[in-house]
Amino acid sequence: KQEVTQIPAALSVPEGENLVLNCSFTDSAIYNLQWFRQDPGKGLTSLLLIQSSQREQTSGRLNASLDKSSGRSTLYIAASQPGDSATYLCAPGPAGDYKLSFGAGTTVTVRA
Amino acid sequence: NAGVTQTPKFQVLKTGQSMTLQCAQDMNHEYMSWYRQDPGMGLRLIHYSVGAGITDQGEVPNGYNVSRSTTEDFPLRLLSAAPSQTSVYFCASRAGVVQPQHFGDGTRLSIL
Repeated sequence: KQEVTQIPAALSVPEGENLVLNCSFTDSAIYNLQWFRQDPGKGLTSLLLIQSSQREQTSGRLNASLDKSSGRSTLYIAASQPGDSATYLCAPGPAGDYKLSFGAGTTVTVRA
Repeated sequence: NAGVTQTPKFQVLKTGQSMTLQCAQDMNHEYMSWYRQDPGMGLRLIHYSVGAGITDQGEVPNGYNVSRSTTEDFPLRLLSAAPSQTSVYFCASRAGVVQPQHFGDGTRLSIL
C-alpha cells in the first residue's frame, strides 16, 4: 500500500518568502504525481500534474519536481503572497491504476 | 463548464436514516470516485468507478453503496447512517490515468 508523507505539517512565513513543500512516497511504481490546493471548507483544486517521465513542471510561481526513484516530490512557491495560504496535498498516481493515495497535507500561512 | 457538482452541500441526519449524496460531472470522464476526509486521517477512498456499469470498493467501503448507470452521475448511498460517518465527502473524476483529477466542493454530513 502506498504511504505518502508530507513534511512539514504546517508552515508560517512572511509575505515574499519562497515556500518549499515536501512529499515522500513509498512505492516508486507511479505514472504521475499531482499537487492540489485546498482552501478551508472547499474542495481540492489541481495545481500541477507531473508525469513520471518528467523531472519538473511549472505553472506561474509554482514549480514541482519529481524524483521517482527516491520517492520524492517538492513543490516550490516563489515570492509567497497571503492568497497562497491554504493546505497543499500531494497524490502519487500508481502505474496502470486510477486510484490516488493522498498525503495529509501541509498547511501554509503567509503573513502580510 | 460546471466540472464536478455535488449536492447537497450540507446535511444533518439522525442515526439510522438513509440518504443519497449526489455527484455529477459534465466532462465525459470515465473514472469517478468518492472520498471521505476526516481530521488527522486525510482523504480515504470509499468507492470508485471506471465507467458506466462498473464499480469497485476502495479503502473504506463499509456502510456505503454506489451505482453508475450513466457516465455523468455517481451517487453515494448511506444505507443506515451512523455517527462514525460524520465527515466531509468529496466526489472526483478524471479522464484517464495520465490526466489530472478534478474534485467537487464537498458535502458536509453530520450524523446525530
